[in-house]
Amino acid sequence: DVKVTQSSRYLVKRTGEKVFLECVQDMDHENMFWYRQDPGLGLRLIYFSYDVKMKEKGDIPEGYSVSREKKERFSLILESASTNQTSMYLCASSKQGYGYTFGSGTRLTVV
Amino acid sequence: RKEVEQDPGPFNVPEGATVAFNCTYSNSASQSFFWYRQDCRKEPKLLMSVYSSGNEDGRFTAQLNRASQYISLLIRDSKLSDSATYLCVVAPLRGNTGKLIFGQGTTLQVKP
Repeated sequence: DVKVTQSSRYLVKRTGEKVFLECVQDMDHENMFWYRQDPGLGLRLIYFSYDVKMKEKGDIPEGYSVSREKKERFSLILESASTNQTSMYLCASSKQGYGYTFGSGTRLTVV
Repeated sequence: RKEVEQDPGPFNVPEGATVAFNCTYSNSASQSFFWYRQDCRKEPKLLMSVYSSGNEDGRFTAQLNRASQYISLLIRDSKLSDSATYLCVVAPLRGNTGKLIFGQGTTLQVKP
């Protein structure tokens, strides 16, 4: 089974800190995605990548950046964490034309 | 108009009931369709793909109506363990970068 691993299940950070969320997949998928999920708002796409060093903005990229230096790893960076970035962050990967496999998520709290 | 629309529910049904969820999508060029299941505080997991001819997996049946831009999921003989949020998912365009569009989900509560 394909595995998508997110580095932390729970994270607490202070306002203004730089935060790194790491995601690794082990099935050679081309596509990788970062979403956040908030009650009542559903899944919202932050950034995605369809190849190494390629990235595309999603629907809510403001306040975030990403890095994909290797095919298996896609990192989400919060440049200066703010309380409105408290959320569940979900990473996903896919092969072209197929559904996503999600990681187990990171619950980030910014205090 | 949202690209993928679902009734958020909740749908409260007794064990053993049959329940159906519907979903509409706005982009007629959409190519692939899926149902995902998400348990409380967990990640979404692929339940089944939806094919033009309709498909069945045990108690679950998915159907696609391209003319009406409509997808459905039917659950027969509901179990307590079916309680979850069901997400309708659409791949909008051929040749796109693999991005999927998610509905907001329909919540199902199966009661004893």
